[in-house]
Amino acid sequence: AQKITQTQPGMFVQEKEAVTLDCTYDTSDQSYGLFWYKQPSSGEMIFLIYQGSYDEQNATEGRYSLNFQKARKSANLVISASQLGDSAMYFCAMRVDNYGQNFVFGPGTRLSVLP
Amino acid sequence: SQTIHQWPATLVQPVGSPLSLECTVEGTSNPNLYWYRQAAGRGLQLLFYSVGIGQISSEVPQNLSASRPQDRQFILSSKKLLLSDSGFYLCAWSFGGGTGELFFGEGSRLTVL
Repeated sequence: AQKITQTQPGMFVQEKEAVTLDCTYDTSDQSYGLFWYKQPSSGEMIFLIYQGSYDEQNATEGRYSLNFQKARKSANLVISASQLGDSAMYFCAMRVDNYGQNFVFGPGTRLSVLP
Repeated sequence: SQTIHQWPATLVQPVGSPLSLECTVEGTSNPNLYWYRQAAGRGLQLLFYSVGIGQISSEVPQNLSASRPQDRQFILSSKKLLLSDSGFYLCAWSFGGGTGELFFGEGSRLTVL
């Protein structure tokens, strides 16, 4: 079965510092994609970053980077230079390419950025 | 560019009343469509997904149903709401058969009293 684990229900970080949000996944498939979404208090889900299982380089998008360790089945999100606007829920998700069209989401991590 | 809209944004309904949430996608054709539910402070639970008109897959048995009457329209319905149906409902789409991300609508907050 496909599963996403996020072991940090809540995290605090000081403004301008970097923070790492953990994500581990479980799948026996070789072809899959890993995603991170941000959900501010407004409720909308904002796509942040994507990593394909065959990508050799870690994905980066501005202040977001994904630390992909395939052997450990982890896909941690790193946010550099945290801003107050980064305070939100963050969800890790996986799409297994041979598993229909299903995306599996983790339970989320609530990030609070302190001034 | 592609856009997704869902409505209504907020809904307060009594137990036993019907429900209809609608979602439309513009700017693409033959998208995969999804309905997710999010309980307060929790993750996302996939309710239904569709890869084409009239093709609906249900992930969770419940008193909800979904329909896709047109290529870019996805409707979530219930004949009789339960208290446990309260939550935040999110419609989403992805490119059909592709490997891309999910694009989400603004969400609909349902409170069943």
